[in-house]
Amino acid sequence: DAGVIQSPRHEVTEMGQEVTLRCKPISGHNSLFWYRQTMMRGLELLIYFNNNVPIDDSGMPEDRFSAKMPNASFSTLKIQPSEPRDSAVYFCASSRDQTETQYFGPGTRLLVL
Amino acid sequence: AQSVSQHNHHVILSEAASLELGCNYSYGGTVNLFWYVQYPGQHLQLLLKYFSGDPLVKGIKGFEAEFIKSKFSFNLRKPSVQWSDTAEYFCAVNYGGATNKLIFGTGTLLAVQP
Repeated sequence: DAGVIQSPRHEVTEMGQEVTLRCKPISGHNSLFWYRQTMMRGLELLIYFNNNVPIDDSGMPEDRFSAKMPNASFSTLKIQPSEPRDSAVYFCASSRDQTETQYFGPGTRLLVL
Repeated sequence: AQSVSQHNHHVILSEAASLELGCNYSYGGTVNLFWYVQYPGQHLQLLLKYFSGDPLVKGIKGFEAEFIKSKFSFNLRKPSVQWSDTAEYFCAVNYGGATNKLIFGTGTLLAVQP
């Protein structure tokens, strides 16, 4: 299995631009998680889906952030408009169900100038 | 509130020294417990996990952890560390309930000196 796939691996953009991060979970996994990692705040759960349905989005910072999972093999995290404080590494993870082991993707390193 | 505490933020050891990293969680019910490792510049990888059964869990690369329910602890150990163990280590807990999600500790940065 290829594992969790994320793209792009690196993104540099200017403040105000729209950023879209992509994730392909491991085939057969029903749960998908988006995390953000920064030096100041550590690893934070932003949102997670179970069977393509958002279950808990309480970690989404504000309305500028949105996430979708149109099908079992694809999810996006969008930031519009982006701000410098959004600079972080964004990880996607998937698991067979909500309570099972989560497998992490390589992350997207985002820099907003 | 549900939380996970890792008391050691930075640990520096020499090669062959023994390692123990502390992890405590706040809730007394049924939990699933995990240790993840993040090598420099890489993503998180699972080291080991505990769901039920033998409270002494063995993971990859010679790591083990012991679940002590009475102390709400899940400490990570390795008898003899190597330079390649230099990484950040995260304890995580799934408390179950209505929103099944992992709560991560703040991480412990381990530096092993050759």
